[in-house]
Amino acid sequence: DAGITQSPRHKVTETGTPVTLRCHQTENHRYMYWYRQDPGHGLRLIHYSYGVKDTDKGEVSDGYSVSRSKTEDFLLTLESATSSQTSVYFCAISEPGPNYNEQFFGPGTRLTVL
Amino acid sequence: DQQVKQNSPSLSVQEGRISILNCDYTNSMFDYFLWYKKYPAEGPTFLISISSIKDKNEDGRFTVFLNKSAKHLSLHIVPSQPGDSAVYFCAATYSGNTGKLIFGQGTTLQVKP
Repeated sequence: DAGITQSPRHKVTETGTPVTLRCHQTENHRYMYWYRQDPGHGLRLIHYSYGVKDTDKGEVSDGYSVSRSKTEDFLLTLESATSSQTSVYFCAISEPGPNYNEQFFGPGTRLTVL
Repeated sequence: DQQVKQNSPSLSVQEGRISILNCDYTNSMFDYFLWYKKYPAEGPTFLISISSIKDKNEDGRFTVFLNKSAKHLSLHIVPSQPGDSAVYFCAATYSGNTGKLIFGQGTTLQVKP
């Protein structure tokens, strides 16, 4: 299994509070992604990174920001959490090469915004 | 605008029979397709993929078929086992998309003993 951890695994927070989710990898993969999974929508890309300090927006980036200061860590921040951001968040990694489309996923973080 | 669609939210099959999961897409630029399996409380795991230059790819009990003219792909599991019970997501991407995947909504497969 790819070495990907996410923290925290569960979090309950209140509307308007900032929240930061962490993704840590030990695979030294260049690409990292944040997705959210919601019923009826599958997984949707929030932000991604193709290297240290290189990030870009995905299809559902509003209300989220990311940072990547080290290869191994990719942080997702909800500046002011809203109930619509209640979801399960997954981090994924991949490496440029013939199989770079095959992403490896972390175990997920279940976030509840009250 | 859902570019990748899995129109069957759930599927139930008997152990030993074939499971067929379907996926449709709308974007003609897609040239690489993947299937992921997800168990509850775990992250998705890669199952099998296919490039648009092929129309079939096989890996053990799992076979993916691609029909480019119909913009349709399917995953066949033969024979189905109770451990195959999970949510299956199809995903698509295209060259130069930095590996960004577009996922379908998922199909929950239940394999009954």
